[in-house]
Amino acid sequence: DSGVTQTPKHLITATGQRVTLRCSPRSGDLSVYWYQQSLDQGLQFLIQYYNGEERAKGNILERFSAQQFPDLHSELNLSSLELGDSALYFCASSVVGGPPFFGPGTRLTVL
Amino acid sequence: GNSVTQMEGPVTLSEEAFLTINCTYTATGYPSLFWYVQYPGEGLQLLLKATKADDKGSNKGFEATYRKETTSFHLEKGSVQVSDSAVYFCALSEGGNNDMRFGAGTRLTVKP
Repeated sequence: DSGVTQTPKHLITATGQRVTLRCSPRSGDLSVYWYQQSLDQGLQFLIQYYNGEERAKGNILERFSAQQFPDLHSELNLSSLELGDSALYFCASSVVGGPPFFGPGTRLTVL
Repeated sequence: GNSVTQMEGPVTLSEEAFLTINCTYTATGYPSLFWYVQYPGEGLQLLLKATKADDKGSNKGFEATYRKETTSFHLEKGSVQVSDSAVYFCALSEGGNNDMRFGAGTRLTVKP
């Protein structure tokens, strides 16, 4: 158990819909990261937040957005969902300068 | 930019065989290097790391040495077990881990 929690574990929705994925980082970690893992594209870095501020942006689509709240939990919002958005979405957290610790992931299926 | 290239899988070994998964990197500066492991149905777990040249990271019988001259960080284990079956990711970070790059992952299957 890494100490990073993610909800929900599974999510099934339809094309065009919007979903929110939630992440609670390890106690004391100020950085939160979001990654997408799909079979054809591997592990893709989406976005990083540090203490509520966006720190780095990766291959995140404009339909996707994220935020980190004052209590340090983070949410990833995915809208206008397409079949190709079906993937595992991982949240990770870290201390400054430390490696990220990953949560168990949310499996999103878009039908 | 920074990148990581690791050997393509899948790799299939018999129990107690020697394992090597190759990883090479490209970086502009002096990155830290990592191996992560993902067991079926789980998230990635940090397996080992090395932060400077010639450092050796080790954990659970796995080892990897940071080789600056060959820009490599190959993962090795002397005797694999069925329980080592997983996907292994090589990764690097530079500049305070706000830009962590992962390799494509190598799937290892160990047969009894």
